[in-house]
Amino acid sequence: NAGVTQTPKFQVLKTGQSMTLQCAQDMNHEYMSWYRQDPGMGLRLIHYSVGAGITDQGEVPNGYNVSRSTTEDFPLRLLSAAPSQTSVYFCASSYKPLQGAQEKLFFGSGTQLSVL
Amino acid sequence: GDSVTQMEGPVTLSEEAFLTINCTYTATGYPSLFWYVQYPGEGLQLLLKATKADDKGSNKGFEATYRKETTSFHLEKGSVQVSDSAVYFCALGTRKLIFGQGTELSVKP
Repeated sequence: NAGVTQTPKFQVLKTGQSMTLQCAQDMNHEYMSWYRQDPGMGLRLIHYSVGAGITDQGEVPNGYNVSRSTTEDFPLRLLSAAPSQTSVYFCASSYKPLQGAQEKLFFGSGTQLSVL
Repeated sequence: GDSVTQMEGPVTLSEEAFLTINCTYTATGYPSLFWYVQYPGEGLQLLLKATKADDKGSNKGFEATYRKETTSFHLEKGSVQVSDSAVYFCALGTRKLIFGQGTELSVKP
């Protein structure tokens, strides 16, 4: 009963390095999303996907890429890390929204990223 | 665009006190509204939700009513416990889910 699995849990990068945060879910959810959480800013949506092959930008997409080649996986790529990307990242998934109304999100346990 | 505004924290209460955390929203269409809770070191969990105007969501003694006329979804609990200490997020759902900035609640014995 894995739910939403994020890896790694912690990561330290140097400015300019690239990396991929992994997210996988085993609930056959069509909707998946990435958020970053910063003190005093709440959770801000980076990118989301409503199904395999379909992605869209959220509130803060710059500096991040995503792809959705399968229903299960939704990796988040940082192409050239910057200190401003130091944050806690959460992946979340849900059943496909019905009639435009978002359903309950299931969250992963988070990835704490530091960019030096 | 769509947005959610919550009262700023931290909120500090004594055990058994009454809790209100204000939440207002701006949205086109007819969104669903949610309250999520985050305990220390964990991800977010759904606390309650309401999908249309005048709906009341409730769970674990917490309640919130979807008020379309005031575009609000305030969270209330009649008697808080130390175990309710957490960060509470109001959220608005349409094609995607938008969160407020969170309100930290600390309950003292």
